[in-house]
Amino acid sequence: EPEVTQTPSHQVTQMGQEVILRCVPISNHLYFYWYRQILGQKVEFLVSFYNNEISEKSEIFDDQFSVERPDGSNFTLKIRSTKLEDSAMYFCASSEQGQGSDTQYFGPGTRLTVL
Amino acid sequence: AQSVTQLDSHVSVSEGTPVLLRCNYSSSYSPSLFWYVQHPNKGLQLLLKYTSAATLVKGINGFEAEFKKSETSFHLTKPSAHMSDAAEYFCVVSDRRGTYKYIFGTGTRLKVLA
Repeated sequence: EPEVTQTPSHQVTQMGQEVILRCVPISNHLYFYWYRQILGQKVEFLVSFYNNEISEKSEIFDDQFSVERPDGSNFTLKIRSTKLEDSAMYFCASSEQGQGSDTQYFGPGTRLTVL
Repeated sequence: AQSVTQLDSHVSVSEGTPVLLRCNYSSSYSPSLFWYVQHPNKGLQLLLKYTSAATLVKGINGFEAEFKKSETSFHLTKPSAHMSDAAEYFCVVSDRRGTYKYIFGTGTRLKVLA
């Protein structure tokens, strides 16, 4: 069964460094999402992406964050200058049609630790 | 605004006894509701979803949920818990404003006792 993959599974970085989290969505899906889960808190929406542009973003997704689909398969989340509070599990998701009833399929997540 | 509330942060049951994980939603529209499960160090796996068809929804691994509009509830049940059901469970509503992003509940951690 097709699945969403994410790399790396763990990323440790120093505060102020740039990180890129990578995701390979399911191949025929058109809508892509990033969510994050700070330890002990709920999963929060960051951004949705369709047709090579951001469709919606949350207030969390400030100028330090960017997303890109550099080729036909990868979907990346970049954090330009990491802060301690960016430490979280980051989940990538994709869906086929972006409708309300559509299922979003999640990757296993990347645990980001900022020191 | 749409939201979900999971009433219990932790639930403990004995193996072989029924499971009930509670979720209430708030929505101005007819909602799409989902239950996801997260096992330790794993991603989020869809258990089941409600999208305005049958109000009783059957999912994987023997789980089911009933959509009750009058009670604004979407509780998850299973007749008989198995040790492998120990995990975190998330109730989710799809936000019909914008791009149908998911709005998550705070999660319920299910513990299954031998």
